[in-house]
Amino acid sequence: DIVMTQSPDSLAVSLGERATINCKSSQTVLYSSENKNYLAWYQQKPGQPPKLLIYWASTRGSGVPDRFSGSGSGTDFTLTISSLQAEDVAVYYCQQYYKTPTFGQGTKVEIK
Amino acid sequence: QVQLVESGGGVVQPGRSLRLSCAASGFSFSSHGMHWVRQAPGKGLEWVAVMWFDGSNEYYADSVKGRFTISRDNSKNTLYLQMISLRVEDTAVYYCARDGGASVGATKVFDFWGQGTMVTVSS
Repeated sequence: DIVMTQSPDSLAVSLGERATINCKSSQTVLYSSENKNYLAWYQQKPGQPPKLLIYWASTRGSGVPDRFSGSGSGTDFTLTISSLQAEDVAVYYCQQYYKTPTFGQGTKVEIK
Repeated sequence: QVQLVESGGGVVQPGRSLRLSCAASGFSFSSHGMHWVRQAPGKGLEWVAVMWFDGSNEYYADSVKGRFTISRDNSKNTLYLQMISLRVEDTAVYYCARDGGASVGATKVFDFWGQGTMVTVSS
């Protein structure tokens, strides 16, 4: 299986500031012939199911605010929240779908 | 709007069986692959199984292969997960999730999730 490793495990950011979460895969998730990275990001708020934020590494899901952006290629990816809002407090997971789906361990985002 | 409602969870002894259901509405159920994903208490997410939109293919995580069976009834817009020989480590919230692709095998992107049903395996 492809192992997904996120960093940091948690971070505290002031309201309005930028939050950055990293995700590294144990092998490439870039499908060269399509030039697509099989990488998604999810947000899980306390007591709720996960919500799809980003797929194809950088495409926002339906209704996702544009303060959320994804970047990266191959094995290294980043989720950025450009201006943290109170409602963004959650655990964020990356997931590869290049092979059997696997998730990162999650990154908890809190307000400083 | 898309709705996925899981049911069938509960407390069961190790070695026993349980069947979960997921009732879908608000979209063309027969056009989407469907997944089960679980989350142990306080832990991360683990993909469990997928069935293609037309039921032609199914795949499982190694941790459940041979013990869990995914199925669907497109006439009832319902997804199932039959679990046998349950183990303590199967304790988790089980989510059903819609595959993001339509009328394709399975993209393995999970674009809608249910609220989940808790399965506790304990003696």
